[in-house]
Formats: sequence, structure tokens, C-alpha cells
Amino acid sequence: KAGVTQTPRYLIKTRGQQVTLSCSPISGHRSVSWYQQTPGQGLQFLFEYFSETQRNKGNFPGRFSGRQFSNSRSEMNVSTLELGDSALYLCASSLEGTERKLFFGSGTQLSVL
Amino acid sequence: AQRVTQPEKLLSVFKGAPVELKCNYSYSGSPELFWYVQYSRQRLQLLLRHISRESIKGFTADLNKGETSFHLKKPFAQEEDSAMYYCALSLSGGYNKLIFGAGTRLAVHP
Repeated sequence: KAGVTQTPRYLIKTRGQQVTLSCSPISGHRSVSWYQQTPGQGLQFLFEYFSETQRNKGNFPGRFSGRQFSNSRSEMNVSTLELGDSALYLCASSLEGTERKLFFGSGTQLSVL
Repeated sequence: AQRVTQPEKLLSVFKGAPVELKCNYSYSGSPELFWYVQYSRQRLQLLLRHISRESIKGFTADLNKGETSFHLKKPFAQEEDSAMYYCALSLSGGYNKLIFGAGTRLAVHP
């Protein structure tokens, strides 16, 4: 099976712009979670989607949003980018019922200039 | 607030030496604890879960609710164990929301 695929691998944006990141989960996985990784804050949970519904959300401002499509693919969007949004954004998928065994993608490295 | 603490940023040992990566958590409910590992140029991946009580690649971890700890241990370190190790906590009803520790880099020297 193909692993979790995240696109693009790298992104460079300027302050005030918006960005959309994409995640394709492992086939058959219906849960997709997003995490932000920075040197200062480490790995922080953004949100989780299951069957097109957000079922959990972390402590991030409303500029961070996401959605999930009927094929379980997910996108996250960050509007009005700030310098502090520079980070590695990781997506993880899970087969429901496997007690939080997450399969991570390679991430999208976002740089905000 | 729920928190996971990994007190060591770097743990450096020689091959064949015992390893203990420390993890403490703060949570008043019923926790689920995990260890995730990231080898060089690889993705973050699950190493083990407390709920399954298994040994993976020689590593074990026991949940100690009294000390709120979930330390990762291996009796004899191998060079291929060099990696970044993250302890993670899942809350009751939290689905796939994990609270990660800051991580410990394990360096095993020949």
C-alpha cells in the first residue's frame, strides 16, 4: 500500500498570503489528522477529520482550517499567513479502531517570508 | 493542563549499553501512552503502545500510573537505534489527538 502522501513538499509564501496543503491518506483510512511541528513548540495537534467531519480541534486560531473529502483526502488552509506559521505540517492517517496508530506523511515545509 | 515531558533532549550511549528514555505525563483521566520514533530521513512512525504491552526492536515501556511515567527501555543499545524518540499521550475520548513530548535524540556510538 502507498503511504500517506502530502503535497507540496515545500512552500514559500509571504506574510498575508494564504496557503492550502493537501494530504492523501492510506487507502481505506478514514481518519486524517494534522500536526504542526516547529523547533520551539514541537509537535502540536491542529485538527482531525473523520468521514468528512471535524471531530477534534487543537488550540490554533481560526486562520487554520481544514476539510475532508468523500474519498478521505484532506486539505488544510492557512489564511493571512504570519511569520510564526513557518513550520513543518504533518498529516497522519489512521484506520478507525486501531487505537491511535497513526501513519505519518513526510510533511509540507512551509516558509513564510 | 495535559502535558508530556521528556526531560532529556539528547541521550548519548555506547553500543551495548542499556538505554532508558524518560517520559512523564500530566493527565488526571485514563491515559493512553505511545512512543513514536523518527529515524534519519524517515517518517515519524509508531514504535509501541502501552495498551499492547509488546516489545518492538527490543524496546519495552511500562505505564506507571503512580509515577505518571512511561519510560522507554532497551537492555542493549544498537547503532541502528539512533533516532528521535517522541512520547505521546492520548486523552479519553480524544480520538487521534495526541499530545507529544519535545522528543529525545538517542545517539548510539560504536
